[in-house]
Amino acid sequence: DGGITQSPKYLFRKEGQNVTLSCEQNLNHDAMYWYRQDPGQGLRLIYYSQIVNDFQKGDIAEGYSVSREKKESFPLTVTSAQKNPTAFYLCASSIMGSTDTQYFGPGTRLTVL
Amino acid sequence: GQQVMQIPQYQHVQEGEDFTTYCNSSTTLSNIQWYKQRPGGHPVFLIQLVKSGEVKKQKRLTFQFGEAKKNSSLHITATQTTDVGTYFCAGHSSGAGSYQLTFGKGTKLSVIP
Repeated sequence: DGGITQSPKYLFRKEGQNVTLSCEQNLNHDAMYWYRQDPGQGLRLIYYSQIVNDFQKGDIAEGYSVSREKKESFPLTVTSAQKNPTAFYLCASSIMGSTDTQYFGPGTRLTVL
Repeated sequence: GQQVMQIPQYQHVQEGEDFTTYCNSSTTLSNIQWYKQRPGGHPVFLIQLVKSGEVKKQKRLTFQFGEAKKNSSLHITATQTTDVGTYFCAGHSSGAGSYQLTFGKGTKLSVIP
């Protein structure tokens, strides 16, 4: 069964703690993306990666970090520097190229207490 | 940077009425994609438009791409309760090497049975 998995679905953390969100895909896609969704804000791009060991900042990268050591995996770390981390985080992947469809994972809802 | 505006933000319709959401970009797009997100779910790809003036249909859904490739619309005929969700447009700019999709803020559709 091909697709994108994100875990966990719900995550609670105390303020000041770093937290890493998992994203795995078995679609053999080259490109992967992280988005943040807030009510009424649509999807905003945090980071994207077109190839292993390379990634680029999106529109709201401050307070976040990523790694792309394997083609299948693109974990996102929400650091304590992120001022307002409570949000719904979506991971996506695409084959490659500027016209490709993006396939989304089920998302992780992060709440920082 | 590129901006994609989407209106209206919310739309409440009686079941059986038509619905339209509009998308406008500040820059010329190489293509535009439409996604649907059901309540509590993740965005799911609906369609991609590439050509100037293109019109595509999926059953009761009609998608249009403007002649100048800066605007698009999604029209649903005779809405059903299964159409409930948030509809997002997302555009790729025409710049070389552009791998970013810029999402509109979405139109949240409610259908009253």
